[in-house]
Amino acid sequence: NAGVTQTPKFQVLKTGQSMTLQCAQDMNHEYMSWYRQDPGMGLRLIHYSVGAGITDQGEVPNGYNVSRSTTEDFPLRLLSAAPSQTSVYFCASSRTRSTNEKLFFGSGTQLSVL
Amino acid sequence: AQRVTQPEKLLSVFKGAPVELKCNYSYSGSPELFWYVQYSRQRLQLLLRHISRESIKGFTADLNKGETSFHLKKPFAQEEDSAMYYCAPPKGANNLFFGTGTRLTVIP
Repeated sequence: NAGVTQTPKFQVLKTGQSMTLQCAQDMNHEYMSWYRQDPGMGLRLIHYSVGAGITDQGEVPNGYNVSRSTTEDFPLRLLSAAPSQTSVYFCASSRTRSTNEKLFFGSGTQLSVL
Repeated sequence: AQRVTQPEKLLSVFKGAPVELKCNYSYSGSPELFWYVQYSRQRLQLLLRHISRESIKGFTADLNKGETSFHLKKPFAQEEDSAMYYCAPPKGANNLFFGTGTRLTVIP
């Protein structure tokens, strides 16, 4: 049981490049989300999904796209990378969309945009 | 939005000393709050949540509605408690923010 798997662990991009951060969970979780973690700012929600085919924006969605074609996968796409997107990205899931369900986190992706 | 604040970015205590990590929330209604922890080179994981009122690894957190706080406490700190601690509101459309985190260092 792998839990929440994120790939890659590290990535360096040039400004303007695009890429996709992958997130997969094998727990049949309904809810999935992406956070970015920046020094002094805690974790901020980028996008989230409450089920296949359903996505919504979080606090900082600009410059990112998501889709949820299957229950298992929730990729995060950077359309045109900018230095301000240098951050550590975490994918998280929970069993249901209920507010009191705990989140399970991936190990993170460290992204640098030059 | 349901927000939480953690006023201390860094906290150092000696082994065996009591530790308290502060968390305040700023919303009305009955709050549901969580503490997550990230140990070195490990992923974020749930430490405890308000609704279950349990004690994990000796940590407890009591919701104080008068002070709008959910401080995390442990009577005797251990070296293995050194980690990053995040206070968090429940997930949802209105709850976009984790706290900014407190890095706890337990000095041997």
